[in-house]
Amino acid sequence: EADIYQTPRYLVIGTGKKITLECSQTMGHDKMYWYQQDPGMELHLIHYSYGVNSTEKGDLSSESTVSRIRTEHFPLTLESARPSHTSQYLCASSGGYGPYEQYFGPGTRLTVT
Amino acid sequence: KNQVEQSPQSLIILEGKNCTLQCNYTVSPFSNLRWYKQDTGRGPVSLTIMTFSENTKSNGRYTATLDADTKQSSLHITASQLSDSASYICVVTDRGSTLGRLYFGRGTQLTVWP
Repeated sequence: EADIYQTPRYLVIGTGKKITLECSQTMGHDKMYWYQQDPGMELHLIHYSYGVNSTEKGDLSSESTVSRIRTEHFPLTLESARPSHTSQYLCASSGGYGPYEQYFGPGTRLTVT
Repeated sequence: KNQVEQSPQSLIILEGKNCTLQCNYTVSPFSNLRWYKQDTGRGPVSLTIMTFSENTKSNGRYTATLDADTKQSSLHITASQLSDSASYICVVTDRGSTLGRLYFGRGTQLTVWP
């Protein structure tokens, strides 16, 4: 079992609210990722980080932002939630160089009403 | 365009039966192929990983095969159990980036009935 944690697991929130999804890993991995997954669909990369103070946007355009102030912590923030943001958000991390295995957290199921 | 296609989209089998899931990909240059199991409401968990030179890899009742020439992979599950009910996702990594870019299939939703 990978040591990567996400909170909250489930979140129902109203339109316009600011939310932060937390992701932490205790494996000392330098690379971390955020994916968005809708039911029955593939995972889409929305943000990634090579290390502290490094963040990049992924393939899927997202209105969310991320920060990487500490190696173990990679939070995702939505300044103003909308119903279109309803989805599952998965955090992952990997260590070493090149295409090493990514370990996934349990995910946050976000519903914006 | 780099893509990963999986079939069937969903599958129902009886407990104790075997099944095979398929994955076709166009990702290039190829680095490795992984099969993940994703339980409902959970993150994916890696089952097997195969590089270009490997054509089969087993993990308990799970056996994955890879044909890098035809860009096809399969995941065979033997003696299925109720706990095998999950989505099985084929993931291909390209070796053209230091990030280790992953390409995900949409998964095969497997349901095992008693």
